Amino acid sequence: DGGITQSPKYLFRKEGQNVTLSCEQNLNHDAMYWYRQDPGQGLRLIYYSQIVNDFQKGDIAEGYSVSREKKESFPLTVTSAQKNPTAFYLCASSGSGYGYTFGSGTRLTVV
Amino acid sequence: QKEVEQDPGPLSVPEGAIVSLNCTYSNSAFQYFMWYRQYSRKGPELLMYTYSSGNKEDGRFTAQVDKSSKYISLFIRDSQPSDSATYLCAMSSASGGSYIPTFGRGTSLIVHP
Repeated sequence: DGGITQSPKYLFRKEGQNVTLSCEQNLNHDAMYWYRQDPGQGLRLIYYSQIVNDFQKGDIAEGYSVSREKKESFPLTVTSAQKNPTAFYLCASSGSGYGYTFGSGTRLTVV
Repeated sequence: QKEVEQDPGPLSVPEGAIVSLNCTYSNSAFQYFMWYRQYSRKGPELLMYTYSSGNKEDGRFTAQVDKSSKYISLFIRDSQPSDSATYLCAMSSASGGSYIPTFGRGTSLIVHP
């Protein structure tokens, strides 16, 4: 079945550590996105990529980095510069239509 | 003022009730309107997608867009406990060839038996 796979489902980060969240899609979608979801704040766009080897900052890119070396993959690194990384992270993709397909999310907690 | 306003709720209704969920927006360039359903600890799933004004029906769900009032609604008929979730509205324009939507904060719906 086509879809988006995010891993891991739960991730724990120590202070000062970089962690990478995986996002893979087999929908043949060109565009991929990373969102952060905090209680009561809705979805906030971190980074997006509309084509391989190109990506743009969203509204809250500071402390995050991404790469898009393959169409299917769009990993997100949460760096030590992100001071408040505890959140639910969602990856999404879109094709020629205007609706998104979301992954099941990664819950990141600082320990 | 946020671009998209959505009451976070929670909205609690008895099983079988008609539910009305709403969003208002300020950007008149929005042309594409979506509703997503998100169960706890899961990613959102697209429920309804509408272009411009008008109504769209899919089973128990009806989406309405009133561009003159900058107001969109999602109606759920014969609500079921399985409809208990957070409902997010989203809308976008074709600005610069990008259709990146702006999301509302989501409304938490609880349907009790």
